[in-house]
Amino acid sequence: DAGITQSPRHKVTETGTPVTLRCHQTENHRYMYWYRQDPGHGLRLIHYSYGVKDTDKGEVSDGYSVSRSKTEDFLLTLESATSSQTSVYFCAISWTSGSHQSSYNEQFFGPGTRLTVL
Amino acid sequence: GQNIDQPTEMTATEGAIVQINCTYQTSGFNGLFWYQQHAGEAPTFLSYNVLDGLEEKGRFSSFLSRSKGYSYLLLKELQMKDSASYLCAVRRNDYKLSFGAGTTVTVRA
Repeated sequence: DAGITQSPRHKVTETGTPVTLRCHQTENHRYMYWYRQDPGHGLRLIHYSYGVKDTDKGEVSDGYSVSRSKTEDFLLTLESATSSQTSVYFCAISWTSGSHQSSYNEQFFGPGTRLTVL
Repeated sequence: GQNIDQPTEMTATEGAIVQINCTYQTSGFNGLFWYQQHAGEAPTFLSYNVLDGLEEKGRFSSFLSRSKGYSYLLLKELQMKDSASYLCAVRRNDYKLSFGAGTTVTVRA
């Protein structure tokens, strides 16, 4: 168990409202990621973080911002939600070799947040 | 940019073998992952290949040919619980993953 949780797990909101999704990890891993998953598109990277206050954009970052003020929390914010942002959002963590039994540096995913924007 | 292709759906019978192909075009290849994702759940790691050849893990095997930009995931002795989506993901030198759209495998009794 990689110790990663997401909140909320489900949310319905209206167009134009701000929304913040939280990803929390308990094992002090350096790398954290936000993805969205939509039918026909697979998982697409929104933003990622390689340390506290160090973040960068992924391939579908427009309309999203992130913050990482503590190692354990990575927040994804939709400043003004649109219907095109209805999706399932997954957070993931990974780590460098040596701090886990695996040397693959694979990403472990949180349980997901299902967001509906009406 | 990335271009990762895998079939959308496959159906097979319990006890049979299914091979899921994945082709990719990428710059700065640094490994290929396969993930399994059951409906409504998070993806979970299945296998990793960075060198050419076959990696076997119980009923699941994964193959990679870097020169051909090709991988496959082989599922043997299919069980009903293997009904899921299987995601091919390519890692680049910047350690970011690019995912294919996934292959939904349905196992019939």
